[in-house]
Amino acid sequence: QVQLQESGPGLVKPSETLSLTCTVSGGSITSYNYYWNWIRQSPEKGLEWIGYINYSDGTYFNPSFKSRVTISVDTSSHQCSLRLRSVTSADTGIYYCAKGARGTPGNFDVWGQGTMVTVSS
Amino acid sequence: AVRMTQSPSTFSASTGDRVSITCRASQGVSSYLAWYQQKPGKAPKRLIYAASTLEGGVPSRFSGSGSGTDFTLTISCLQSEDFASYYCQQYGNYPYTFGQGTRLEMK
Repeated sequence: QVQLQESGPGLVKPSETLSLTCTVSGGSITSYNYYWNWIRQSPEKGLEWIGYINYSDGTYFNPSFKSRVTISVDTSSHQCSLRLRSVTSADTGIYYCAKGARGTPGNFDVWGQGTMVTVSS
Repeated sequence: AVRMTQSPSTFSASTGDRVSITCRASQGVSSYLAWYQQKPGKAPKRLIYAASTLEGGVPSRFSGSGSGTDFTLTISCLQSEDFASYYCQQYGNYPYTFGQGTRLEMK
């Protein structure tokens, strides 16, 4: 059974880059069948899908984030990473990684516990 | 983007009640619709996918219906552990989008 765990700094300064990792266990991060998604939750905007990566197919992003976001996979550490550039207070929220499957990459069957990020000077 | 609108936003109910939450999509999403339950401090947990398929291990008092633009989550006999927030989400169109949530509270 796949398990996910997010980690990263809880505080980021405005205009800087938010960097988070999601450690995958119980399944292969390079699997053709798995899609690794990032999702954000905030009181203002609710749940927002940021984007995903599949090791074979590459990435796909929400247009709302596309100009600022990078998602990558590190096979040696079994981690998926999110980088969000030029952050503002509007990027404050809980960030989740979640797994989707081939055919329905946006159908999230496994979620990490989430990590809270605050953007503040 | 497909806008997902849930109603009601908040609902007060008692254990044993039958509860229905509706979700409307601004355009058709076929049956690419999931329902999640979220408790305070926890990640969302998938209850139903493909509009009506129950996730393994989820009690049978939960059911989902609908297709196209109109969907319903029904809890047939509310238990104390069901007081939580519920979200619908479409995964038929990019970008994937969620409803604003329904908070189910104890009357």
